[in-house]
Amino acid sequence: QVQLQESGPGLVKPSETLSLTCTLSGGSISSYYWSWIRQPPGKGLEWIAHIYYSGSTNYNPSLKSRVSMSVDTSKNQFSLKLSSVTAADTAVYYCARTPAYYDTTGYNYYFDSWGQGTLVSVSS
Amino acid sequence: DIQMTQSPSSLSASVGDRVTITCRASQTTSGYLNWYQQKPGKAPKLLIYAASSLQSGVPSRFSGSGSGTDFTLTISSLQPEDFATYYCQQSYSTPYTFGQGTKLEIK
Repeated sequence: QVQLQESGPGLVKPSETLSLTCTLSGGSISSYYWSWIRQPPGKGLEWIAHIYYSGSTNYNPSLKSRVSMSVDTSKNQFSLKLSSVTAADTAVYYCARTPAYYDTTGYNYYFDSWGQGTLVSVSS
Repeated sequence: DIQMTQSPSSLSASVGDRVTITCRASQTTSGYLNWYQQKPGKAPKLLIYAASSLQSGVPSRFSGSGSGTDFTLTISSLQPEDFATYYCQQSYSTPYTFGQGTKLEIK
């Protein structure tokens, strides 16, 4: 069974860069998309970005100027960097496997396996 | 961005009740609509993908329907473990967006 685990600092200073890594166990990072999703305390879910195992990416336009994702297939890991953080970036950050379900009109992307989430607080 | 609006935002129900949650998109999402359940302090769990396909391991009391802009999640007979917050999510176009959530509480 696929398991995902986020890791990274729980506290980041304003204007600095948030860096998180997601490590996959029980499966291969190949042949799937992989996403980051965040949830501010007490609020809803926001998709941040996804990456294909080949390295192609798709970013949320609201964060595009500050976000980057990368993948390391040799380590079964993918990573998130979010620069110039502010208090508004305080959230639980989840990584998730993102299968693509194909029908005759295109692809439906959904999140079928999630990490437990890691709270990142932005504060001086 | 496609805006997803769920109704109701909160709902009180009893064990055994049939419950329906609605999700409306600001423009068509075709059938690219997914449903999740989230319990406090936990990651969301996928229930339904592609509007009506039941994720493996999810009880058959959960079902989804709809197309275009209007979708529903139905729980046929509420169980104690179903009290949680439910989210819809579209993947018709990026950025993928979620509804604001429906909190299902015990009456």
